[in-house]
Amino acid sequence: QVQLVQSGVEVKKSGASVKVSCKTSGYTFTNYGISWVRQAPGQGLEWMGWISADNGVTNYAQKLQGRVTMTRDTSTTTAYMEMRSLRSDDTAVYYCARIMSGGPSIAVTATDYWGQGTLVTVSS
Amino acid sequence: SYELTQPPSVSVSPGQTARITCSGETLPKRYASWYQQKPGQAPVLVIFQDNERPSRIPERFSGSSSGTTVTLTIRGVQAEDEADYYCQSADTGGTFPWVFGGGTKLTVL
Repeated sequence: QVQLVQSGVEVKKSGASVKVSCKTSGYTFTNYGISWVRQAPGQGLEWMGWISADNGVTNYAQKLQGRVTMTRDTSTTTAYMEMRSLRSDDTAVYYCARIMSGGPSIAVTATDYWGQGTLVTVSS
Repeated sequence: SYELTQPPSVSVSPGQTARITCSGETLPKRYASWYQQKPGQAPVLVIFQDNERPSRIPERFSGSSSGTTVTLTIRGVQAEDEADYYCQSADTGGTFPWVFGGGTKLTVL
């Protein structure tokens, strides 16, 4: 069965960096992209960006440009999201999610399997 | 930046029909998806490409689209359907960024 298992809780100081991993299994990794979404405490979902697992092409949310990098390792079927220069308002649960077959594309923007989430807490 | 607008809350009695709307100017040109999120859990996809339902989602969930508004309809609402619901779509310009609506809290009375 399809599974996305994320790395554990992170506690960081302001200005530090964090790298969250998303280990996938149960499907052909390079056939599906990975999207990253975060959710601040008590708030809604915020799209961060996606990476094509096939060729590594990325698309980031404009507000995170320059601070976020998404990568993938096809040998271990794992996706990564790194965020730099952390601030207190980056405190959130970070999710990875598999983009549905055929995506990411103009027509395919839905995500059908999600990781369990990784809580990242940023303190001053 | 592009926005999708949802009502903050919808309330319905068990067995009735709940309708949650999502409005955005590019929805006539872009598919929308819907996610259900219960407290402490990851979101679950319930509708994709405006009106397609994943096989594991009950038939009481359906989606529709009309102009700049997409609607999630839940017929015969059950207590277990109480959750936050988010629409999602993409912009039509620039790098085609994706976007989520602000979310709607569905309360089953």
